[in-house]
Amino acid sequence: QKEVEQDPGPLSVPEGAIVSLNCTYSNSAFQYFMWYRQYSRKGPELLMYTYSSGNKEDGRFTAQVDKSSKYISLFIRDSQPSDSATYLCAMSADRRGSGTYKYIFGTGTRLKVLA
Amino acid sequence: ETGVTQTPRHLVMGMTNKKSLKCEQHLGHNAMYWYKQSAKKPLELMFVYSLEERVENNSVPSRFSPECPNSSHLFLHLHTLQPEDSALYLCASSQEAVRHSPQHFGDGTRLSIL
Repeated sequence: QKEVEQDPGPLSVPEGAIVSLNCTYSNSAFQYFMWYRQYSRKGPELLMYTYSSGNKEDGRFTAQVDKSSKYISLFIRDSQPSDSATYLCAMSADRRGSGTYKYIFGTGTRLKVLA
Repeated sequence: ETGVTQTPRHLVMGMTNKKSLKCEQHLGHNAMYWYKQSAKKPLELMFVYSLEERVENNSVPSRFSPECPNSSHLFLHLHTLQPEDSALYLCASSQEAVRHSPQHFGDGTRLSIL
């Protein structure tokens, strides 16, 4: 079983729609949850960053974490053609003892917002 | 200059060539990373440097050789690569490597091996 599962899409929605992007994970040690947006020919750009369970809102974007279900979501309200990109989830856990923290990415979901 | 800058953006090389990828971060971070991104696969962590010291090497073949001369610069030296090494190579930085801090990425070097 993969540590992080993410539907690769593509997901096509009309402009103005509410978009829901999701990841599931298997390791209950993950404490930090990130969403990155990656445009074509660009690197991933950090979009949202949350710690533990709960919601975080930033403009049209809302990140939601449900640790009991091991499920995270990114909602995009009033989606725009400029939101068309690949969205990667990432999660992280501090390692006990020595060593670096563990940072795991999903495969990314490709989103197309149609004008 | 802002963020994380990678050069070159594109690189085509033969299997017998030697080339280097460069990364520079202007964020004052202490940790730097090399990742490989291939189609339909999650990002693969290759190397982690913390304060110029390599702290992680994820079973990467020796044909990839990293170098971190200071906390702002990171290189990936390439030699005798294989066609399966064609991918997007991403550099990232974060405040530190031991405890969690968000990673910030450059735009990558698109590498093609002939």
